[in-house]
Amino acid sequence: DAKTTQPTSMDCAEGRAANLPCNHSTISGNEYVYWYRQIHSQGPQYIIHGLKNNETNEMASLIITEDRKSSTLILPHATLRDTAVYYCIVSPTNFGNEKLTFGTGTRLTIIP
Amino acid sequence: KAGVTQTPRYLIKTRGQQVTLSCSPISGHRSVSWYQQTPGQGLQFLFEYFSETQRNKGNFPGRFSGRQFSNSRSEMNVSTLELGDSALYLCASSPRQGGETQYFGPGTRLLVL
Repeated sequence: DAKTTQPTSMDCAEGRAANLPCNHSTISGNEYVYWYRQIHSQGPQYIIHGLKNNETNEMASLIITEDRKSSTLILPHATLRDTAVYYCIVSPTNFGNEKLTFGTGTRLTIIP
Repeated sequence: KAGVTQTPRYLIKTRGQQVTLSCSPISGHRSVSWYQQTPGQGLQFLFEYFSETQRNKGNFPGRFSGRQFSNSRSEMNVSTLELGDSALYLCASSPRQGGETQYFGPGTRLLVL
C-alpha cells in the first residue's frame, strides 16, 4: 500500500525555491515524515524529517500541515546538483520489519 | 567522518553463481541494513543487523543472507543467482537499531547474465 503520493516529476529554475509536495492522508500519530533524495547512480541521501512542527536544516525546510495529511519539502535556492529523485516516506522512528519503503518519488530537474 | 562504503561497486555474474557484497558502516554506527533497488520494484528492505545479530528481515527468499562482524562491518550473500537478482544493492547504517535516519552507501550494481 502506498502511504504517500507525490507528483511524478517537477522542474525548477536554478536559484529559485523548489517546493516538493507530498500527500500522506493516512499517516498515524506516531509516524514521522522523512525525505530522502537519490542522485543518479548514488545511494539515497537523508534530507530531513519531522513529526508535526516545521523543521529546517542546512539542506532544506519541511512544512507539515496542521492535520499532518500533507507536507512540502523546500529547497530554498535550488542548484543543478539538486537534480535528483526525491522520496517522501512516513514511518515510525523504530522502523521494525517494514524499514524504509520508498515509493516512486518525484523526479526534480533543475533548469539552468 | 567517512561515509558508508560498499565493495565492489560493480559486479557481473552468471546464473547459478553466488556473490558476496561487503559494507563498512559509518564509524560508530552499529546498525547495518541492506536494500535491493530495481526499476520495477523500487527500494525493498532485505534485512538489518545490529550487534552481529539479524534484527529484522524483509520478504526475500533464503538465498539472500547476511552477517555482521564485531567491528559492525557487514556482508550480504546471494546464492544460486537468478536473472531477477540484477539490481542495485544498497547498504545503510544507523547509530541504533531501527534508527530513524539511514545513511546509505553508493551501492553495488549487480548484473546477472
